[in-house]
Amino acid sequence: ETGVTQTPRHLVMGMTNKKSLKCEQHLGHNAMYWYKQSAKKPLELMFVYSLEERVENNSVPSRFSPECPNSSHLFLHLHTLQPEDSALYLCASSLSGATNEKLFFGSGTQLSVL
Amino acid sequence: GESVGLHLPTLSVQEGDNSIINCAYSNSASDYFIWYKQESGKGPQFIIDIRSNMDKRQGQRVTVLLNKTVKHLSLQIAATQPGDSAVYFCAESRAAGGSYIPTFGRGTSLIVHP
Repeated sequence: ETGVTQTPRHLVMGMTNKKSLKCEQHLGHNAMYWYKQSAKKPLELMFVYSLEERVENNSVPSRFSPECPNSSHLFLHLHTLQPEDSALYLCASSLSGATNEKLFFGSGTQLSVL
Repeated sequence: GESVGLHLPTLSVQEGDNSIINCAYSNSASDYFIWYKQESGKGPQFIIDIRSNMDKRQGQRVTVLLNKTVKHLSLQIAATQPGDSAVYFCAESRAAGGSYIPTFGRGTSLIVHP
């Protein structure tokens, strides 16, 4: 148990659906991240929130929309996805500004787009 | 541009042997490096980190070596156990918006044979 919880663990959706991924951290951290993990590719950073403000947005398509209502919760809203968006979506948190800033990851949401 | 990568995609070792996993990075300005371990069905988990003002750091059964001259990072696992079987990622971190944001390598799959 890492203190970072992601729901759902698995999600199957059609290209016209709208769904949301949820992440919650109980570690008192103030930075949260979304990463995409595809087979045979490095983890791709999608979004970073530090102190509830988005500080990084790596040219992610607009069909992915993040939301960070507070420092403990992070959402990824999905709409009109493509089959190539099928991947494991990982949430992580960290203590921003710490001298040894390591990320704590959730177990991920395995997304399949049909 | 930045790139962090691993020399070998798969490493097979016998239980009890020492394992060495290598990583190359290209951004000489990177000053913080981390190794993560990802077991099947889980998110990456922090193992050990090192700052650029050090060339070696030891943990429990793990040692990280940093060679800034050739921009090379390695993870040594002593007396490898079946529970060490996982994918190992190196990451270099850079500061952004007050946070250190890691860029991950491709990953090496470590297989430990009993």
